Amino acid sequence: AQSVTQPDIHITVSEGASLELRCNYSYGATPYLFWYVQSPGQGLQLLLKYFSGDTLVQGIKGFEAEFKRSQSSFNLRKPSVHWSDAAEYFCAVGADNYGQNFVFGPGTRLSVLP
Amino acid sequence: DAEITQSPRHKITETGRQVTLACHQTWNHNNMFWYRQDLGHGLRLIHYSYGVHDTNKGEVSDGYSVSRSNTEDLPLTLESAASSQTSVYFCASSDSNYGYTFGSGTRLTVV
Repeated sequence: AQSVTQPDIHITVSEGASLELRCNYSYGATPYLFWYVQSPGQGLQLLLKYFSGDTLVQGIKGFEAEFKRSQSSFNLRKPSVHWSDAAEYFCAVGADNYGQNFVFGPGTRLSVLP
Repeated sequence: DAEITQSPRHKITETGRQVTLACHQTWNHNNMFWYRQDLGHGLRLIHYSYGVHDTNKGEVSDGYSVSRSNTEDLPLTLESAASSQTSVYFCASSDSNYGYTFGSGTRLTVV
């Protein structure tokens, strides 16, 4: 069965510092991988996705993620964090980008210090 | 602009009552989903539908039901609300081109 782990429940960084959020997955075939962001009281917004091709993918809001098959990882990075990036971040894995077989990780809450 | 809306945004209900949460989308997506979000669990799938009159159980479907009479709506019904169903509920729709779109959520408290 597919699964997603996000080892860090809560991360605090200073504004302007770099950020890396970890995501590890278990999946039997080549996965579709996603990162979503959830601001307080809001739904989930897609940051970026990986299906195939270049293993470094660029997303919105200056985020990027790297797919590493050998490590079953899809870590999210940002070189310089802004206060508005404070939110909950979810990694997800699926067999495609639209079906019922999405599995979400438990989420990582990001706090940003001024 | 196309959107997906959930109502109500917040609801408090008593144990044993029937509750229905609404989800309406104007994306014309065939696929619609209901998830619940609980601390430490991320989002877990309750029910999903791939089209009118099609409904399927997800990972945590016990105590919930859905019906799909048109493309736009997928209401979620809690037959007899329990305290364990206190949660934030998200509706989503999808297609192969755009992927998933999520609503803003309904916070349900069962007292």
